[in-house]
Amino acid sequence: EVQLVESGGGLVQSGGSLRLSCTASGFTFSTSEMNWVRQAPGRGLEWISYISSSGSPIYFADSVRGRFTISRDNAKNSLYLQMNTLRAEDTAVYYCARDLGAIDYWGQGTLVTVFS
Amino acid sequence: QLVLTQSPSASASLGASVKLTCTLSSGHSSYAIAWHQQQPEKGPRYLMKLNSDGSHSKADGIPDRFSGSSSGAERYLTISSLQSEDEADYYCQTWGTGIPRVFGGGTKLTVL
Repeated sequence: EVQLVESGGGLVQSGGSLRLSCTASGFTFSTSEMNWVRQAPGRGLEWISYISSSGSPIYFADSVRGRFTISRDNAKNSLYLQMNTLRAEDTAVYYCARDLGAIDYWGQGTLVTVFS
Repeated sequence: QLVLTQSPSASASLGASVKLTCTLSSGHSSYAIAWHQQQPEKGPRYLMKLNSDGSHSKADGIPDRFSGSSSGAERYLTISSLQSEDEADYYCQTWGTGIPRVFGGGTKLTVL
């Protein structure tokens, strides 16, 4: 069974940093492309970052480029999102998602709340 | 620029059918999309991949009541025999080589 489990969310002050993790199981993580997608309260889904199976190429949405970094450790079946210079508008549930072009599996999400 | 457009809301009666639309931006009518469902207070769930020729492949466990079709730049999700649990937000999503993933704004489906 494919499972994606996010962790690392929480309450953080504006300007601060947070690192999210996603642990994968039930499939061959090392050959899978991955994404981070977020959803602000009451809003739709927003794609924010993609990483290929090898770690390159990497893409970011304009809203987070320069502040967020995506990485992976294939030996640990893990995906990461380093979030720096956080803003109130980054408050959202962050989802890890497997990518076959079509996103075909989602994690349960982890909530990040940025306060001023 | 690759953009997906969805109507913000739709409604249909219990037991009826509904057809949701996702429109690809100009110049991108050959792109495949994926449909995702998000029930209230839950995470998204992948429903199916839908190609430009209307062929589609559904995720495991998705009922036969859910089907997809295409016409030009439009991609459709049809849900027949609507049930209360189908009340949800539905998102389309697309991709391309060298193109970041894109989501439509979502359609909120109300089952009357």
